[in-house]
Amino acid sequence: AQKVTQAQTEISVVEKEDVTLDCVYETRDTTYYLFWYKQPPSGELVFLIRRNSFDEQNEISGRYSWNFQKSTSSFNFTITASQVVDSAVYFCALSEPFESNYQLIWGAGTKLIIKP
Amino acid sequence: GAVVSQHPSWVICKSGTSVKIECRSLDFQATTMFWYRQFPKQSLMLMATSNEGSKATYEQGVEKDKFLINHASLTLSTLTVTSAHPEDSSFYICSAAETLQETQYFGPGTRLLVL
Repeated sequence: AQKVTQAQTEISVVEKEDVTLDCVYETRDTTYYLFWYKQPPSGELVFLIRRNSFDEQNEISGRYSWNFQKSTSSFNFTITASQVVDSAVYFCALSEPFESNYQLIWGAGTKLIIKP
Repeated sequence: GAVVSQHPSWVICKSGTSVKIECRSLDFQATTMFWYRQFPKQSLMLMATSNEGSKATYEQGVEKDKFLINHASLTLSTLTVTSAHPEDSSFYICSAAETLQETQYFGPGTRLLVL
């Protein structure tokens, strides 16, 4: 069974629209960490956010916001007023201290296309 | 902060040659570094985890004699692809973390093409 599921393979929106990328995870650890990384066409992975399992507060950083809900094992990522520069593949990842010794378990990624 | 460099960014080589890729943490000390491989349109596949001063831990299915990893200092890890073959052509990415539990920061990646 997949431990990190990003069900949306590709999303295409027009610039200035809001878009939400879904991430559902599975773990038996009570302590764990969730991440989002952005991979633009250049290939470099850019760290966006890390959230630990004990902190369910939503976070906002500029046009980016994250909704962490333990009840549904989800850690969704919303981009408000999208821009062409947001076009990239976005990966959600899980890190578990006991189940996987902190290795990052990756989702399949969601390719986001922002059309001008 | 948390900048990781990787060199070279592109390498083309002939089959049978060895290629060395360097990964450096520029503004922090990385006890742990990771090497990944990424195929087109796929997620990252962990190849090995290296801790400074000790032998790397390879993932199942990764040939340790083919992919030599050295983590000689807190800021440098190297991956050597020995006797490269066309099937080794891929995008190789390293990441570095202050400790195993900390956030991994990634280098820009190295595209390897073996002819």
